[in-house]
Amino acid sequence: DAGITQSPRHKVTETGTPVTLRCHQTENHRYMYWYRQDPGHGLRLIHYSYGVKDTDKGEVSDGYSVSRSKTEDFLLTLESATSSQTSVYFCAINRDPNTGELFFGEGSRLTVL
Amino acid sequence: GENVEQHPSTLSVQEGDSAVIKCTYSDSASNYFPWYKQELGKGPQLIIDIRSNVGEKKDQRIAVTLNKTAKHFSLHITETQPEDSAVYFCAATANNNDMRFGAGTRLTVKP
Repeated sequence: DAGITQSPRHKVTETGTPVTLRCHQTENHRYMYWYRQDPGHGLRLIHYSYGVKDTDKGEVSDGYSVSRSKTEDFLLTLESATSSQTSVYFCAINRDPNTGELFFGEGSRLTVL
Repeated sequence: GENVEQHPSTLSVQEGDSAVIKCTYSDSASNYFPWYKQELGKGPQLIIDIRSNVGEKKDQRIAVTLNKTAKHFSLHITETQPEDSAVYFCAATANNNDMRFGAGTRLTVKP
């Protein structure tokens, strides 16, 4: 589990409500990532961070924002959740940017009704 | 951007047989090709990876081969066991911050 904790692990919400998912790491790594996993699509990168207050967009960033005010925490926010954002969300860290190896958390299952 | 295609989407083998999963990629600049195994309810876990400067890598019962000219790479599992049953993902990246994944292969090993 590479010292990654995601919360909440499960959430059901209604369309139009804001949602924040949290990723917490205990290993002080610089790079952190948010992916979503959907059947038939594998994992797709939403946003990533390369340091405190340093973030960038991924392949499917529309409708999502992120923040990283501390090295250990990377937050993913859905300002106004839609049914298309029903998914399983995974946080990952890159322990060694030279190798590119990603270590994933256990996932957060989000259902938007 | 990079596009990774993975086949087959499902694979069923008898215990002890071999399993092969194949992936193709589109970006010739990609230079890192990991494989992840995901068990039910868990996050993906790296099982093996290969870089573009080698053609094959082996770790006990699993091996990965890379053909850069044809832009494809494969995962080989020999002497399969029931605990190998899982979903496997290939991925490719030229830039460690933009890793693209295949859609996944659900492997079932029948006892």
